[in-house]
Amino acid sequence: EDKVVQSPLSLVVHEGDTVTLNCSYEVTNFRSLLWYKQEKKAPTFLFMLTSSGIEKKSGRLSSILDKKELFSILNITATQTGDSAVYLCAVSLSNTGKLIFGQGTTLQVKP
Amino acid sequence: SAVISQKPSRDICQRGTSLTIQCQVDSQVTMMFWYRQQPGQSLTLIATANQGSEATYESGFVIDKFPISRPNLTFSTLTVSNMSPEDSSIYLCSVGRDVANEQFFGPGTRLTVL
Repeated sequence: EDKVVQSPLSLVVHEGDTVTLNCSYEVTNFRSLLWYKQEKKAPTFLFMLTSSGIEKKSGRLSSILDKKELFSILNITATQTGDSAVYLCAVSLSNTGKLIFGQGTTLQVKP
Repeated sequence: SAVISQKPSRDICQRGTSLTIQCQVDSQVTMMFWYRQQPGQSLTLIATANQGSEATYESGFVIDKFPISRPNLTFSTLTVSNMSPEDSSIYLCSVGRDVANEQFFGPGTRLTVL
């Protein structure tokens, strides 16, 4: 059975801290791994990773994929209260394009 | 990324009734999917909406309960039929240009069934 596991499930930090969110997966027909940020209803796209070892970066957020060890991390540096959200990791399957989601990590950034 | 709209954004319905949710994209896309997010849970795929043919449903979801239409490459509907309180969820459509590209989500429909 295809599975995506995120850790930790929840995290509380203070502004300025750096956080690392983890995502491991066991799927057949892996195509890519995606990260989303969900604040209210709709998940907002952050990154799509298809190749191992190539870091993707957007401002204070960065992410990398390890296809040998089957995991990815999402780093957020100098956190701000606006980073408070649920971060979702999903794996896209190559033959169908459908996404298998992890449980999500709830991040709370305190002032 | 595509601009995606969903209607309605929220609704409160009585049990036993049905609700149809619309998803509209501002450009043609190959892939359209419908997801459900129950309270406190992550997203679960309901079905892949196939243009011009029957949707492909995931295990645990059936056409009689969640009929889906996709008449063209920019529009799809999901109906939640004979609703019960357990159907209270956020329903989300997602789109992708093709199977290899990232998926973007619509704003979601928050459904409450009394």
